[in-house]
Amino acid sequence: GAGVSQSPSNKVTEKGKDVELRCDPISGHTALYWYRQSLGQGLEFLIYFQGNSAPDKSGLPSDRFSAERTGGSVSTLTIQRTQQEDSAVYLCASSLGLARTDTQYFGPGTRLTVL
Amino acid sequence: GDSVTQMEGPVTLSEEAFLTINCTYTATGYPSLFWYVQYPGEGLQLLLKATKADDKGSNKGFEATYRKETTSFHLEKGSVQVSDSAVYFCALSDQSNTGKLIFGQGTTLQVKP
Repeated sequence: GAGVSQSPSNKVTEKGKDVELRCDPISGHTALYWYRQSLGQGLEFLIYFQGNSAPDKSGLPSDRFSAERTGGSVSTLTIQRTQQEDSAVYLCASSLGLARTDTQYFGPGTRLTVL
Repeated sequence: GDSVTQMEGPVTLSEEAFLTINCTYTATGYPSLFWYVQYPGEGLQLLLKATKADDKGSNKGFEATYRKETTSFHLEKGSVQVSDSAVYFCALSDQSNTGKLIFGQGTTLQVKP
């Protein structure tokens, strides 16, 4: 079946612009996650959703970051007033549930470059 | 807080050599442990996992055993191939029921013919 998809695959933007990153999880997966991969910070967790709810937003790096999920499916990560330190690969993953034993399946990522 | 520590790379081996990538963790309770692999230009893929102490995860010739007494989950392969060249990430999922993965820094493996 189809895996996790993300769009766009690459995004180049100017400092101060807003960007939206999209994630389509595997059908039937109730849990969805966003991570960021950067050279300096490695792989860091940003936020998770159970259904459409994000119970804990403390992993988001600043209040310029927000995320939503609709219909228990597609999720959008929005970064407002982008800064150069936001440049990274943003990864989305989904899993059947939130149990520690559930495997997360990752999308190919969106490479964001802020000039 | 919970954390994962991996041996620093890069690791360079000749084809058919034995591979060990060390991974240790700090966590309360009983986390699940994972190895993910990222091939050049591709996304993260699950390589293997173990969900309780003494479990052995295995896939594609790779193995790792969940050792609670040493808080370790070392990755091993008896005979590496050029196609195994990739970045390997050790990760844990704790008992918080958030599913959040905490990753190590990643270890780059380069296998030369």
